[in-house]
Amino acid sequence: GQQLNQSPQSMFIQEGEDVSMNCTSSSIFNTWLWYKQEPGEGPVLLIALYKAGELTSNGRLTAQFGITRKDSFLNISASIPSDVGIYFCAGHLNTNAGKSTFGDGTTLTVKP
Amino acid sequence: GAVVSQHPSRVICKSGTSVKIECRSLDFQATTMFWYRQFPKQSLMLMATSNEGSKATYEQGVEKDKFLINHASLTLSTLTVTSAHPEDSSFYICSAIRLADADTQYFGPGTRLTVL
Repeated sequence: GQQLNQSPQSMFIQEGEDVSMNCTSSSIFNTWLWYKQEPGEGPVLLIALYKAGELTSNGRLTAQFGITRKDSFLNISASIPSDVGIYFCAGHLNTNAGKSTFGDGTTLTVKP
Repeated sequence: GAVVSQHPSRVICKSGTSVKIECRSLDFQATTMFWYRQFPKQSLMLMATSNEGSKATYEQGVEKDKFLINHASLTLSTLTVTSAHPEDSSFYICSAIRLADADTQYFGPGTRLTVL
């Protein structure tokens, strides 16, 4: 099956710093999704990307769908303590019966 | 929109008992729901795909007689962990997709199962 490589695995940053994380795949996807999961909660959708090259923002978050359709990145600007959590990327292929492939997550820690 | 709920949020049970977890789409109809299991500090592990009115499709290595899934309506899927054992203790999360954006999964808040 398809595999996603998400990096970095974890990040420890100072409040106010910018953050960048990415996902790469050996095969293409039709949709890229980014989720955030806080402790003891389910993942919450942050951004959905539908077209190669698409750049989408949601507040301080910006994500891009790579031109090759095999990668995506998520940037967080001016991080704040509540950005703490695990960020998952997910790729969706239209022929895959609704299923998405998830990365292993990037754990973000923000020091005040 | 696209709110998914789970009940209960946490459950503690004795070894050998069965536990039922409900997943509901509150403001949309979900033809497909998914059940995941998550261990601490790990990613989501897909257990099964649940389609309304038909049998669930289980991922390789997931025992269908152990994890019974029923998707009786367009807004409700249930996961029953039968004869639970301590190794079944985990965080169980469901997700649902809607027709408007069938490539996007919306997740429930999860259920923490502890088997003593």
